[in-house]
Amino acid sequence: QQQVKQSPQSLIVQKGGISIINCAYENTAFDYFPWYQQFPGKGPALLIAIRPDVSEKKEGRFTISFNKSAKQFSLHIMDSQPGDSATYFCAATGGGNKLTFGTGTQLKVEL
Amino acid sequence: DTAVSQTPKYLVTQMGNDKSIKCEQNLGHDTMYWYKQDSKKFLKIMFSYNNKELIINETVPNRFSPKSPDKAHLNLHINSLELGDSAVYFCASSQAGLAAYNEQFFGPGTRLTVL
Repeated sequence: QQQVKQSPQSLIVQKGGISIINCAYENTAFDYFPWYQQFPGKGPALLIAIRPDVSEKKEGRFTISFNKSAKQFSLHIMDSQPGDSATYFCAATGGGNKLTFGTGTQLKVEL
Repeated sequence: DTAVSQTPKYLVTQMGNDKSIKCEQNLGHDTMYWYKQDSKKFLKIMFSYNNKELIINETVPNRFSPKSPDKAHLNLHINSLELGDSAVYFCASSQAGLAAYNEQFFGPGTRLTVL
């Protein structure tokens, strides 16, 4: 049972455009929602994270929007750059550091 | 000054063999993890150790046995390798504590190919 559903599976965006990746979760015990970025041949690295007591968190060009009632959250990448081309994973945890990952979105930013 | 390191980076072996992957972190963290990333890039936690004690043990065949000689090291031994074990295995570490908000730092991965 996939507890965190992520879409789309892949995404192509033009340089300067907005990339949007969506995730939905089922477990209401989840209370921390990080996004990880993974470049080819590398391990995932934390990009940005949010707790459910806020509806939005912004760090530079990256913003998480969180809708607790709908059990959905999304990552927005503004002014997307070719260097943002990577695989993005949403994740969720209800405690104990046990992360449940989404299925990943392969983002390609074209010139 | 690598934070989380793994050896080897690549591992190619025959079905039925036994192999080990080593992981070391120099971040002073108390908690370490093993993840499996399959060919579709799906990441799933396998094990977690907190200060040498096993705290997370997902549904993993008992052919997989983690060992933590000290809190800076977590090794993964796999017996009787099967084709389905082919994947990239990631080690990670984080601060311990009851809070769930601890960033996990991942190693570079070990690509295991079973022929």
